[in-house]
Formats: sequence, structure tokens, C-alpha cells
Amino acid sequence: RKEVEQDPGPFNVPEGATVAFNCTYSNSASQSFFWYRQDCRKEPKLLMSVYSSGNEDGRFTAQLNRASQYISLLIRDSKLSDSATYLCVVAPGGFQKLVFGTGTRLLVSP
Amino acid sequence: GAVVSQHPSRVICKSGTSVKIECRSLDFQATTMFWYRQFPKKSLMLMATSNEGSKATYEQGVEKDKFLINHASLTLSTLTVTSAHPEDSSFYICSLALGGRETQYFGPGTRLLVL
Repeated sequence: RKEVEQDPGPFNVPEGATVAFNCTYSNSASQSFFWYRQDCRKEPKLLMSVYSSGNEDGRFTAQLNRASQYISLLIRDSKLSDSATYLCVVAPGGFQKLVFGTGTRLLVSP
Repeated sequence: GAVVSQHPSRVICKSGTSVKIECRSLDFQATTMFWYRQFPKKSLMLMATSNEGSKATYEQGVEKDKFLINHASLTLSTLTVTSAHPEDSSFYICSLALGGRETQYFGPGTRLLVL
């Protein structure tokens, strides 16, 4: 089983739609969780950290369910510029080591 | 602004040659940097952790004699792919974490194509 699993998509949505991505992780000792965004042929960029209490940053909401080992990202009012691959990232608990999911591709169309 | 730079951004080389990739921390001193590799449609895989002034720590399955890492200063880490082969063609990305935190900032990556 992969350490971090994501649905690869692609998710094709119209502008203005709400879309949700899910991610599961296998290591119950994982300490920190993140969503990164990666544009085609570019490096990943931090979108947001994920906290147990859930957190929101503008149109983006991230949630963590430690019991189910499940992380989610909700994007409201999708924009064309949201088209990218969204990477679920977990820090298993070692010093700064990150484990990446394969990413979920989002395509927002006019 | 950018936190990390990489050079070159793209390189094409012949099989059997060695390629050096530089990763620079632009505004911060980085005792630790990370090297990742990403194949098409695959996730980023950590290759090694580069430690300033000491040997790098390699992940399981990564050959340390093939992927030489040197972290001689607090702002520069280099990855040398020795005797490159076509299967080494990939996107190589470095990163650093600031202040001991787990949030990492990535360089723009180096796309290597070995013919």
C-alpha cells in the first residue's frame, strides 16, 4: 500500500464550481500534513498546511481526520487559474521528511 | 520572492557523462537541503538529505555512488549524476526547510534528459 494515496483524476469542472479532493495516508504516526500545488513542469508550491481543527484560506478549506487517516481539500468558486495538480503531502514524523502523493489533477474550464 | 534557485534548469547529455546540478538558498542559511526526483505522472520521491559539512543521508534504493551530493556551504548543495543513463532522465528538484519547520520551499527544478 502506498504511504499517501490520491485519486489522480483529472477532475474536469466548470468555472465557479466547488470541487473536493481526498487523500489517505498509511502511517498513523504522521505528524504534519500539507497540500501543495504543482503546475505543469514546475516545482511544487505550498498551498496550505492542514490542521486537526480544519483550516480555511480564502476559497480553500482543508480538513484532517486522524482517526480515518484522511485529508481533504475543498475549493469553492473554482477559477481557471486553479487548474493544476494538487499534491497531498505527509510528514511521517521524522525530521522534516516529506512523503508526497501522486497528485490529483484539476482542470477548470470556462 | 524566490527562496531557492537551481542551475541549470534544463540539461541534455549523452549517456555515460556526468551532470552537476546546483541548488542555492538565496536569502537563508540552510544546514539541510533535500533532493527529490520526479518521473512523469509520478510523485516526488526523496532521494537524499544533504547536510552541510557532513555526508548526505540517502533514501533506500538510491545509489550514493551514482548520485553524489556535496553541501560545502550553508547556501549551496550540489547533486552530481555520475555516468548518466537514459533511465536517469527525470525532473530533479531541491528544497530546504526554514527554521527547522517541516514546510519546504522548492527550487524550480532541473529537467535532465540523457540520450
